[in-house]
Amino acid sequence: DIQMTQSPSTLSASVGDRVTITCRASQSISSWLAWYQQKPGKAPKLLIYKASSLESGVPSRFSGSGSGTEFTLTISSLQPDDFATYYCQQFSGYSTFGGGTKVEIK
Amino acid sequence: EVQLVQSGAEVKKPGESLKISCKGSGYSSGYSFTNYWIGWVRQMPGKGLEWMGIIYPGDSDTRYSPSFQGQVTISADKSISTAYLQWSSLEASDTGIYYCVRAFYYAPGSYFDSWGQGTLVTVSS
Repeated sequence: DIQMTQSPSTLSASVGDRVTITCRASQSISSWLAWYQQKPGKAPKLLIYKASSLESGVPSRFSGSGSGTEFTLTISSLQPDDFATYYCQQFSGYSTFGGGTKVEIK
Repeated sequence: EVQLVQSGAEVKKPGESLKISCKGSGYSSGYSFTNYWIGWVRQMPGKGLEWMGIIYPGDSDTRYSPSFQGQVTISADKSISTAYLQWSSLEASDTGIYYCVRAFYYAPGSYFDSWGQGTLVTVSS
């Protein structure tokens, strides 16, 4: 299995902050990576696919970058609606998810 | 807009069988439930996400995560746009929320652009 490691596991930030979450793969996955947002009690929501493609309807303050083994999700200016848990997921091999990053209010 | 509507919460005892469902609707003109892979993702209480497997309703081609192969069965009835996840003998460790998803398949992996609301399965004696 390809292991996905996210950091940090928890991030405290304020509205308006630029936020970056990192995801590392245990082997190269090219650009076969997606990012999801999950709020408490809700299903996850797709934000980014193929490392940097923004899903339709997702605000442009979200962006993804990287290839190979290292990837980042950036929120350019954190909004109140963005406090949530974020997961990366590789789909190069059998799909596996990172452990999640909780973005909480500072 | 694609909608995946799942069956309701279940409370079962260890050893019991269970089948939960996921009905697809709202596909845009020219596309249908049979043209997309449908998958299942587990989230254990307070934990992360685990991909279980996917099925192509058009021909019932099914792929399983090695972690779930032999533990569950995924099926679909394209005539009623519904996918299923079933267990023959539940264990307490099967407790969790199960999401059905629309999957874009890039063999052997896939990503998921639409999610059902989740079905909570509780297994307890």
